[in-house]
Amino acid sequence: EDKVVQSPLSLVVHEGDTVTLNCSYEVTNFRSLLWYKQEKKAPTFLFMLTSSGIEKKSGRLSSILDKKELFSILNITATQTGDSAVYLCAVEGHTGKLIFGQGTTLQVKP
Amino acid sequence: SQTIHQWPATLVQPVGSPLSLECTVEGTSNPNLYWYRQAAGRGLQLLFYSVGIGQISSEVPQNLSASRPQDRQFILSSKKLLLSDSGFYLCAWTLISGNTIYFGEGSWLTVV
Repeated sequence: EDKVVQSPLSLVVHEGDTVTLNCSYEVTNFRSLLWYKQEKKAPTFLFMLTSSGIEKKSGRLSSILDKKELFSILNITATQTGDSAVYLCAVEGHTGKLIFGQGTTLQVKP
Repeated sequence: SQTIHQWPATLVQPVGSPLSLECTVEGTSNPNLYWYRQAAGRGLQLLFYSVGIGQISSEVPQNLSASRPQDRQFILSSKKLLLSDSGFYLCAWTLISGNTIYFGEGSWLTVV
């Protein structure tokens, strides 16, 4: 059965801390792994990863994929209160199926 | 430009009543279409996905159904709602080429 598992489920840190969010997966015919940030309504796109070992970076956020060990991490450095959100990992297969993990709820305290 | 519209935004329905949530995509052709439900603390649960007109894959057995009468239209329905159907429903689309997924604005359904 295809599945995506994120850890931790929730995390509380203080501003300036660095956090690492994890996503492991088992999906038939893997095509890509995506990270999203969800604050209130619909998730917003952060990264799409298709190749192992190539880091994607956007400001204080970065992500990398390991297709051998079937996981990805999302790093956020120098966290700010505006980073507080639910972070979702999703994996897409070649059949078009797109499965999400449970999400990690991040709270950044001032 | 590519956009996705989902409606209604909020809905309060009595138990046993029917449901119809509609989603349309503009600015693209032959998208993959998805319906997700997000219950509190449970992430995004895939309900249905479609890779073409009339092609619907169901992921979770339930009293919901989906239809794709046109290339860019995806409808989520129920004949009789249950209390457990309450939640936040999201329509989404991707292109078959493996592009990123785009979400509708979401629909809050409360079954009372």
